[in-house]
Amino acid sequence: QLVLTQSPSASASLGASVKLTCTLSSGHSSYAIAWHQQQPDKGPRYLMKLNSDGSHTKGDGIPDRFSGSTSGAERYLTISSLQSEDEADYYCQTWGTDIRVFGGGTKLTVL
Amino acid sequence: EVQLVESGGGLVKPGGSLRLSCAASGFSFRSYGMNWVRQAPGKGLEWVSSISTSSSHIYYADSVQGRFTIFKDNAQNSLYLQMNSLRAEDTAVYYCARLEEGAIAYGSFDYWGQGTLVTVSS
Repeated sequence: QLVLTQSPSASASLGASVKLTCTLSSGHSSYAIAWHQQQPDKGPRYLMKLNSDGSHTKGDGIPDRFSGSTSGAERYLTISSLQSEDEADYYCQTWGTDIRVFGGGTKLTVL
Repeated sequence: EVQLVESGGGLVKPGGSLRLSCAASGFSFRSYGMNWVRQAPGKGLEWVSSISTSSSHIYYADSVQGRFTIFKDNAQNSLYLQMNSLRAEDTAVYYCARLEEGAIAYGSFDYWGQGTLVTVSS
């Protein structure tokens, strides 16, 4: 079964860096994912598509502070030089032929 | 500029029906697959349904299979979701989202609308 697992919460200080993790279920470590950001009371915003080899394609206007990386079944989103507007929920998303899956989301607090 | 604007949400009684619309602009709508995603109050994102570029491939989450119908009008640049037999657990903000360029039926969602709220309550 295709499942994405995210930690419910994370926190980091203003100006620091944070690394969020999304883990693919067993047998699905070759899958690509996408990262989405949802600021409070707004619709989601696409950040990037992250492939299993670590290559990634960012959405329009996404700052260089956002980057992605991969290790096995884990997919990472690193945000550097944290700003107050980065405080948001972050969701990973993946897909199969007849299914699309979201992780439970990570709520990022900027201290 | 890519824009997706949902409409059609509102309050409906259990067992009732509602049709959501998503007006697309700023891109060649017929060349993209589209999706509906929902978010219950205080909860995470849940995929609802997907439709391929030419509507030849359609997929539904188990939770809505047999009750919801997705369709795409390329001439009107619009995506729709017909929702029947609505239940309280269908209460959510419904978003339309575009499938990434070059993908026929599945892939990442690269643009989102602002959402429309559906409330199912007596």
